[in-house]
This record gives sequence, C-alpha cells and structure tokens, in this order.
Amino acid sequence: EPEVTQTPSHQVTQMGQEVILRCVPISNHLYFYWYRQILGQKVEFLVSFYNNEISEKSEIFDDQFSVERPDGSNFTLKIRSTKLEDSAMYFCASTLNRDSYGYTFGSGTRLTVV
Amino acid sequence: GQQLNQSPQSMFIQEGEDVSMNCTSSSIFNTWLWYKQDPGEGPVLLIALYKAGELTSNGRLTAQFGITRKDSFLNISASIPSDVGIYFCAGHSLLTQGGSEKLVFGKGTKLTVNP
Repeated sequence: EPEVTQTPSHQVTQMGQEVILRCVPISNHLYFYWYRQILGQKVEFLVSFYNNEISEKSEIFDDQFSVERPDGSNFTLKIRSTKLEDSAMYFCASTLNRDSYGYTFGSGTRLTVV
Repeated sequence: GQQLNQSPQSMFIQEGEDVSMNCTSSSIFNTWLWYKQDPGEGPVLLIALYKAGELTSNGRLTAQFGITRKDSFLNISASIPSDVGIYFCAGHSLLTQGGSEKLVFGKGTKLTVNP
C-alpha cells in the first residue's frame, strides 16, 4: 500500500538552529499538509499546499515556518530559528483530492529542541 | 476556533469487552473521521462519515455521525490487545461555504486492553 515517508524519524536540534523536515508524499497525490502534535496533545493543523503554493495556514504557522516542494517528489517543512516550544511530532499528509477520505499521514518526525 | 470535545480521555478494559467513545462540537462539520494512532506512528484512518445520521461499520468498529452534524461516537466490539492505542475524532468542514480544508482533531481517547 502506498505510504507517506518522513525523514528523519527523530531530530534533535539546538534552540535557534534551522531544521528541515522532509516528506515524500504518495506519488500521484496533489494536496500536501503538515500537522504537529505536542507530546500528549491533539494533532494540530499547520499548513496545506497545492499547486506549488500555500492554500491555507494556521496561526501556528508564522514567519519562522516555510514549506517547499523543491523537486516534484519531496515536500519540506523548514523552521528557521527553532524555539523550545517547537518540540513536537510533525506529521506530513497527502491526498489525491481535497476529499478527506484519502488523507494519508506519514509516521512523523519527532523534533526535540534543546 | 473550532474545537472537538472527546471523551473519555482514557479507558482501561478487559479483552473481549465492548468500548464506546464520543466526540461533540459546537460547530457543524461536513465530514467526521475516526483515526487510530499507535505509539510513534501517524494517525491511521478507521472510518469516515459523510452524511448526518450515517451509521458505518468497519469490521468490529461502528461509528455514527450525529443528526445535527455536531457529534459522533465510535464503538469497538469484542476488544483485542491490538486495539490498544489512541483514538482521535476529527472534523472536516471543506464542503461548507468558506470552509477550511484542515482537519480539526479531538484530544484523543487512550485505550488500554488487558489480556
């Protein structure tokens, strides 16, 4: 069964450093998403991306965050200057169309900011 | 903002027992979804509900979308050890005029099944 692949599975970074989280969505999917989950909390929407641009973002997704689809297969989330409160699981998801039934999540990247 | 209230927060049951959990919202959602999350993994879709009042089954799982589109329940019958995990409800209001394509998640129900 097709999968959404995320790398790395765990990243530890110093506060203030830039991190890039990588995702390979399912190959024929067109809509891409990032969500995060702070330990023990609910999953929260960050951003949606379609046709090489952001289609929607949450208030969490401030100027420190950016997304990119650099080469037609990868979908990245960059945090420019990490803060302690950015520590969380970050999930990438993709779907063929905007119908939520086809929403597939990756296994996540655990980001720890120290 | 939109919020989903999910209960209970946690459940401890014996293998073979039935389980029920539910979600309520002050907002209307067009689609209601139930996900399961295993430790260290991403959410996996269990059931999607599209019509008010809809009752849908997937094996031992049964979920219903409330008539008002503001609530849903998930039942698991004859629980087994591999049912352990965190169950999330999520709402989607894409089809609403001006609706958002994001999923809004509940806080989850942590299920423990004792063999």
